[in-house]
Amino acid sequence: QQPVQSPQAVILREGEDAVINCSSSKALYSVHWYRQKHGEAPVFLMILLKGGEQKGHEKISASFNEKKQQSSLYLTASQLSYSGTYFCGTVTGNQFYFGTGTSLTVIP
Amino acid sequence: DAGITQSPRHKVTETGTPVTLRCHQTENHRYMYWYRQDPGHGLRLIHYSYGVKDTDKGEVSDGYSVSRSKTEDFLLTLESATSSQTSVYFCAISEMYRVETQYFGPGTRLLVL
Repeated sequence: QQPVQSPQAVILREGEDAVINCSSSKALYSVHWYRQKHGEAPVFLMILLKGGEQKGHEKISASFNEKKQQSSLYLTASQLSYSGTYFCGTVTGNQFYFGTGTSLTVIP
Repeated sequence: DAGITQSPRHKVTETGTPVTLRCHQTENHRYMYWYRQDPGHGLRLIHYSYGVKDTDKGEVSDGYSVSRSKTEDFLLTLESATSSQTSVYFCAISEMYRVETQYFGPGTRLLVL
């Protein structure tokens, strides 16, 4: 039931772009994206709902393909502050499942 | 920042002892959640609550029980702690289920020896 994220880790230089993918084997009601810095709690980035509604961060965008049960998070012109582990969370029925995370490191 | 506190923040205990973790919120959100986070597994839902005295199981509920007697407090109890329950435990809250963001507490690091 746990969604699969890819890649598991990525290293970027400041200003580069990245895409993080999240895929589920189950029909999804919504997809949530969070970022967690080391030793801290996860912080909300984005929610994507069935039907196309999207709520979230101004500088980060995402897509949700309901048919393919996939979501992608797009980080453009990355900044040092983007470093952290990104988790997608999927809602199937009444259960939340989080992916195992994608570690993103932005270097100067 | 959402008003969520967890106590204790760190705990070391021995196998077989009972442990209770507390989550307290000041946001009056209806939904509260307990997750555990382990390397390689991400966040896994243990139990959640959709109101006072209303709770349901998550993905990894075995060995855990919860109670919610007031809107603001959600307790997680390990009846008899085992080493496999060594983890970081996060509480989260949300206004609605499935369609609203979850706000996470600072976490509790639990070590079971």
